[in-house]
Amino acid sequence: GENVEQHPSTLSVQEGDSAVIKCTYSDSASNYFPWYKQELGKGPQLIIDIRSNVGEKKDQRIAVTLNKTAKHFSLHITETQPEDSAVYFCAAMDSSYKLIFGSGTRLLVRP
Amino acid sequence: NAGVMQNPRHLVRRRGQEARLRCSPMKGHSHVYWYRQLPEEGLKFMVYLQKENIIDESGMPKERFSAEFPKEGPSILRIQQVVRGDSAAYFCASSDPSTSSETQYFGPGTRLLVL
Repeated sequence: GENVEQHPSTLSVQEGDSAVIKCTYSDSASNYFPWYKQELGKGPQLIIDIRSNVGEKKDQRIAVTLNKTAKHFSLHITETQPEDSAVYFCAAMDSSYKLIFGSGTRLLVRP
Repeated sequence: NAGVMQNPRHLVRRRGQEARLRCSPMKGHSHVYWYRQLPEEGLKFMVYLQKENIIDESGMPKERFSAEFPKEGPSILRIQQVVRGDSAAYFCASSDPSTSSETQYFGPGTRLLVL
């Protein structure tokens, strides 16, 4: 079955710097890759997603890139702000529509 | 348009009791998914349901756990004879296959504590 690995597990950046989180997946049949932001005590919030027919997608300060050949995808946050501090999860959707999640990255943006 | 709703938000049970977790999907969504999150871990798939139908329960423990999504009313995740290892956050997500079958929107979760 699908397996998703996520790195790093923690990331600390200065406000205004960029943050990059990387994920790899194992099942070449996976074709949908969402990213979720989870704040303490809350549910995961979808922030951006990408389908396998595109290589990059951008939404304001957030961008996601996908390399299907290498089976990895990355989240890029530019001009980070303290409110970006949270846990971020990548996921891959397998052929039966269930999401397989990475283990999460705790991002801390220092003011 | 209200998002996915879950209740209760917090649930405390003693070992051996039953826990019933409820999920109301977003309006118009007919697919529901349940995930479990242990402390400091990612979410793990449990079960995928459509109205009156279990599509995939490959992530659900074979004993004590059951799920349903009736024609009317919320989806229910039921845990019988709870044990301490069931303590976790349980999240429900929903999707609308008529627009985008992939996008799953999550509720706020139910945090279950078993004493």
